[in-house]
Amino acid sequence: SQKIEQNSEALNIQEGKTATLTCNYTNYSPAYLQWYRQDPGRGPVFLLLIRENEKEKRKERLKVTFDTTLKQSLFHITASQPADSATYLCALDKVGFGTGRRALTFGSGTRLQVQP
Amino acid sequence: GAGVSQSPRYKVTKRGQDVALRCDPISGHVSLYWYRQALGQGPEFLTYFNYEAQQDKSGLPNDRFSAERPEGSISTLTIQRTEQRDSAMYRCASSLDLAGGSETQYFGPGTRLLVL
Repeated sequence: SQKIEQNSEALNIQEGKTATLTCNYTNYSPAYLQWYRQDPGRGPVFLLLIRENEKEKRKERLKVTFDTTLKQSLFHITASQPADSATYLCALDKVGFGTGRRALTFGSGTRLQVQP
Repeated sequence: GAGVSQSPRYKVTKRGQDVALRCDPISGHVSLYWYRQALGQGPEFLTYFNYEAQQDKSGLPNDRFSAERPEGSISTLTIQRTEQRDSAMYRCASSLDLAGGSETQYFGPGTRLLVL
């Protein structure tokens, strides 16, 4: 069956360090992979999208890699700040039932805690 | 402009009652998605619409759950004969583009449903 795996244990790092979060998937061949941020009590907020033919995408302090051979995406936050503390979700497009159209399937998320 | 809105924000109901959850997407957004999110988990896909057409309802848990978007704007998720296991946060999202994995989804604040 199709699975998306994110580390369920919280990641604790010191301010200024680089945070690296992992998203692994099995039995998928996604064309797109997205990363979202979710704060407690709020809905997820879109951060970055990477396509299957892209190896890396950057946006300010964020960097995403997409390795379709390893079936893995890495999400990096450089020079991390306490304000980066949140849960980070990866999402992959999934072929829809019957129509062939694709919608997003989300992982369970990894909580990041940046200590000042 | 206004974001995605959902109502009610909180709903407490007794087992066996029907509930209707409403989602008002961002104006002009073509696609609308319903998710259910348990504490500590990512959003679990339920169903989505392109305009008024329901494209994929494979995530609906059983036939007590249904959704409609009759005019391609506001959507209602209905749960009939609620059970305690239906208690969760129900989130709605919309996207400007047709669902296809590359669209950015904008999430609403969610409706917290509690079935007693």
